[in-house]
Amino acid sequence: EPEVTQTPSHQVTQMGQEVILRCVPISNHLYFYWYRQILGQKVEFLVSFYNNEISEKSEIFDDQFSVERPDGSNFTLKIRSTKLEDSAMYFCASSELGAELYYGYTFGSGTRLTVV
Amino acid sequence: SQQGEEDPQALSIQEGENATMNCSYKTSINNLQWYRQNSGRGLVHLILIRSNEREKHSGRLRVTLDTSKKSSSLLITASRAADTASYFCATAALTIQGAQKLVFGQGTRLTINP
Repeated sequence: EPEVTQTPSHQVTQMGQEVILRCVPISNHLYFYWYRQILGQKVEFLVSFYNNEISEKSEIFDDQFSVERPDGSNFTLKIRSTKLEDSAMYFCASSELGAELYYGYTFGSGTRLTVV
Repeated sequence: SQQGEEDPQALSIQEGENATMNCSYKTSINNLQWYRQNSGRGLVHLILIRSNEREKHSGRLRVTLDTSKKSSSLLITASRAADTASYFCATAALTIQGAQKLVFGQGTRLTINP
């Protein structure tokens, strides 16, 4: 069964450093997403991406965050200057088509980001 | 309260029993989805129910949706130890260009005792 692959599975970084979280969505999917889950809290929407541009972003997704699809397979989330409160599990997801055709997401296993 | 609140927050039952989890939400939705998360792992899509559907089945899973009450329930029949996980409902709204924005609840932690 096709999978969404995320690397690394765990990343530790110092406050103020830049991190790039990588994702390989399912190849025929068109919509890509990043979500995060702070330990013990809800899964929160960060950003959706379609046709090489951001479709929607949440209030969390400020100027410190950016997404990119640098080639035909990778989808990355960059945090320019990490803060302690960015520590969370970051999930990448993709979906084949939009909500009007009622497909669920396929999520990756997540990258646990720890900012120290 | 927030969109997609599950009830109960924790549920512990014996293997073989049925487990029912409920979800309430506030705003209009396109569809509602249920996900499972094993401890420290990713989210696994279980089932999606459209806003114009009332009930859906998938194997041992049964989902209902009542849009007038803005609520949904997930029933797992004949539970197994492997069903132990956290279960989340997520309401989906359309964004521009048709992407789905999911709003997750806090989740129900289900424990199946052998």
